[in-house]
Amino acid sequence: QQPVQSPQAVILREGEDAVINCSSSKALYSVHWYRQKHGEAPVFLMILLKGGEQKGHEKISASFNEKKQQSSLYLTASQLSYSGTYFCGTRGDSGYALNFGKGTSLLVTP
Amino acid sequence: NAGVMQNPRHLVRRRGQEARLRCSPMKGHSHVYWYRQLPEEGLKFMVYLQKENIIDESGMPKERFSAEFPKEGPSILRIQQVVRGDSAAYFCASSPAGGGTDTQYFGPGTRLTVL
Repeated sequence: QQPVQSPQAVILREGEDAVINCSSSKALYSVHWYRQKHGEAPVFLMILLKGGEQKGHEKISASFNEKKQQSSLYLTASQLSYSGTYFCGTRGDSGYALNFGKGTSLLVTP
Repeated sequence: NAGVMQNPRHLVRRRGQEARLRCSPMKGHSHVYWYRQLPEEGLKFMVYLQKENIIDESGMPKERFSAEFPKEGPSILRIQQVVRGDSAAYFCASSPAGGGTDTQYFGPGTRLTVL
């Protein structure tokens, strides 16, 4: 089942913070975050596994709440290069495919 | 290390023609996934293949679509007798193993336009 992402779109000024949420109605084994710029391939950001861990990548970090089947992506001190559409992909205990949300469009302005 | 390669990047076909999309996985990767993306939509899983085997094709339309990943050469997604509704971006991703912790790396996609 397709996870639900929120918000659908967000506009930030350079340096501001943002949180993007991803929730599923099914039990999750892993959550995968990608960023896609228009006309380009989705670029892998990070993967979070069942266990409620939190990961960080420069100024981008994420958490995974296994009990709530939710993940959040945190962007701090946003840069112009952060603009793009962010997708979460989820995988259950069985199966190989990733189920992607509809995406969150992020625009960072000067 | 070269990334996932897809060709062609853009493909135009008339209704009724065949479309062949190719995907070469990253070096050392033996698992390939195909996804379809419509404008303003997320990626929809189509099929998962290992070398010479289709593991999961639950997302593939029952007719006109087929996929293969031969022992030698790229993975191919084939769409026969294309219709306008097939117009979309088709992405393939590869991974070194197929487990739940495996990261999928995406290619640049093939944008199919059906006239």
